[in-house]
Amino acid sequence: AQSVAQPEDQVNVAEGNPLTVKCTYSVSGNPYLFWYVQYPNRGLQFLLKYITGDNLVKGSYGFEAEFNKSQTSFHLKKPSALVSDSALYFCAVRYGSARQLTFGSGTQLTVLP
Amino acid sequence: DAGVTQSPTHLIKTRGQQVTLRCSPKSGHDTVSWYQQALGQGPQFIFQYYEEEERQRGNFPDRFSGHQFPNYSSELNVNALLLGDSALYLCASSVGQSSYNSPLHFGNGTRLTVT
Repeated sequence: AQSVAQPEDQVNVAEGNPLTVKCTYSVSGNPYLFWYVQYPNRGLQFLLKYITGDNLVKGSYGFEAEFNKSQTSFHLKKPSALVSDSALYFCAVRYGSARQLTFGSGTQLTVLP
Repeated sequence: DAGVTQSPTHLIKTRGQQVTLRCSPKSGHDTVSWYQQALGQGPQFIFQYYEEEERQRGNFPDRFSGHQFPNYSSELNVNALLLGDSALYLCASSVGQSSYNSPLHFGNGTRLTVT
């Protein structure tokens, strides 16, 4: 069965510092991996995806993610955090012919001024 | 260009009642998926509609049903509401049912409270 895990419920980082939000996935074929962000009382916004190719994927708003097959991880990163990056972040996976996305439980990112 | 629109934004119902939620997909999209997001959790897949048919279903009881119209808009119906059905219901649209690498576009959701 496909699944993703976000081991940290909460991540705090100072503005201007690099940030990392962790995600690991279960192994079952070749995964399609996604990151979404959710602001309060809003739907999810797409940040980036990994399908195949380069392990470092660049996305919206300066975010990037590194796919690591040996560690089955897909961590979200940003070199310099902004207060406006504070939000709830979800990692999601889709396998093979499955039509649905399976989401992690989410990580609340707080960037402190 | 309008994105995914959902109505209503908020809804309060009593246990045992029935509810209908509505979704209009992003322009050019023909596939609609519904997700349930309970408080403090990630979204969970309910079902997907394409060409007016349910194409895949998650682990939800038959009390949850849906419909897709010729203009690609969709409805989610929940019968015999339970307190546990209280959640944010998200609609997502995409192009083609088999576009596995295409991101979903989400609406802002309908917040359903069952009392």
